Amino acid sequence: SQKIEQNSEALNIQEGKTATLTCNYTNYSPAYLQWYRQDPGRGPVFLLLIRENEKEKRKERLKVTFDTTLKQSLFHITASQPADSATYLCAPYDYKLSFGAGTTVTVRA
Amino acid sequence: EAGVAQSPRYKIIEKRQSVAFWCNPISGHATLYWYQQILGQGPKLLIQFQNNGVVDDSQLPKDRFSAERLKGVDSTLKIQPAKLEDSAVYLCASSGPRWNSGANVLTFGAGSRLTVL
Repeated sequence: SQKIEQNSEALNIQEGKTATLTCNYTNYSPAYLQWYRQDPGRGPVFLLLIRENEKEKRKERLKVTFDTTLKQSLFHITASQPADSATYLCAPYDYKLSFGAGTTVTVRA
Repeated sequence: EAGVAQSPRYKIIEKRQSVAFWCNPISGHATLYWYQQILGQGPKLLIQFQNNGVVDDSQLPKDRFSAERLKGVDSTLKIQPAKLEDSAVYLCASSGPRWNSGANVLTFGAGSRLTVL
């Protein structure tokens, strides 16, 4: 069956450090993969998209990698700030967009 | 541009009662989605519309859930009768012209939180 696994534990990091989030998927062949941010009581907000033929994508302090052989995407937040505290959702697209359970990141000042 | 509007934000009902949620997508967005998000889980797609036609409703519990999108604009999701396990946030999203050659990027509403007692 299809499965999307994100870091099971919440991530607590010090301001200024890099947060690295993992997304592993099983039985998907995604044409692309998206990352969304979700704050408490709000809907997810789109951050980045990476296609199957791309290895890396950057947007400001965010970086995403995509390894279709390992069936894994990594999401990095560099120079983290308390405002980056949120839940981050991985979403592979394989004829439809499916979401992982998310990883909650807390950045301490 | 205005975002995706949803109402009500919160609803508490007894099991076996009915409830309806409304969604108004971003103007011009042809594709509309309803997702169910149970606490601690990721959003799960219930139904996807393209204009007023259903593209995917494979995970919609059709014995109790129904959805419609009349005139290809706003949409209503109904649950009747509700069960305890339907307690969740119901998220509506829309997507417009294919983003950057081919990808669907979703804009979500704030969601409607349902509690079934």
